[in-house]
Amino acid sequence: DVKVTQSSRYLVKRTGEKVFLECVQDMDHENMFWYRQDPGLGLRLIYFSYDVKMKEKGDIPEGYSVSREKKERFSLILESASTNQTSMYLCASSPPTDTGELFFGEGSRLTVL
Amino acid sequence: GQNIDQPTEMTATEGAIVQINCTYQTSGFNGLFWYQQHAGEAPTFLSYNVLDGLEEKGRFSSFLSRSKGYSYLLLKELQMKDSASYLCAVKDSNYQLIWGAGTKLIIKP
Repeated sequence: DVKVTQSSRYLVKRTGEKVFLECVQDMDHENMFWYRQDPGLGLRLIYFSYDVKMKEKGDIPEGYSVSREKKERFSLILESASTNQTSMYLCASSPPTDTGELFFGEGSRLTVL
Repeated sequence: GQNIDQPTEMTATEGAIVQINCTYQTSGFNGLFWYQQHAGEAPTFLSYNVLDGLEEKGRFSSFLSRSKGYSYLLLKELQMKDSASYLCAVKDSNYQLIWGAGTKLIIKP
């Protein structure tokens, strides 16, 4: 069964803390994505990667960075968490096909106090 | 700007049929997706349309009209487990996905 695994389902952090969100996929997909999901808004793309060591900014990259050292792993980093980064974070992967169907992880709900 | 519109919430009765609409204005079009997301869970892929017309997959069907910037997801023989949010997303000219805010579907017995 194909799987995208996010390391933490729930996190509570304090303002200014550094936060790491890990995502691992076992489908050998080239493409990986980080989204945030907030009530009343569509999914918003933070960063994406089409290959190892490669990263591209999405629509809302400010306050975030990413790392892709291995094909199966894509990490999202909040250098200094702020309260407006309280959100649900979704990782996804996809093969490099025209349909580009996304496979999502279960999500990481981050609360910044 | 780019925009995807879908109703915020809909209610339907178990066993009935419901149609969830999605209209879009995007810079280019390279396909439209529907995803299902149960509360607290990951979105899962339902359908993909790139040509006009109806795609049927069991109890679920998805329709696309590119000239009207319009799609709908049709769910037949509704079951309680169909209670979920349904997300519409369009792939634009840069092959980036633009997402709607989702439609929360409530099924009543």
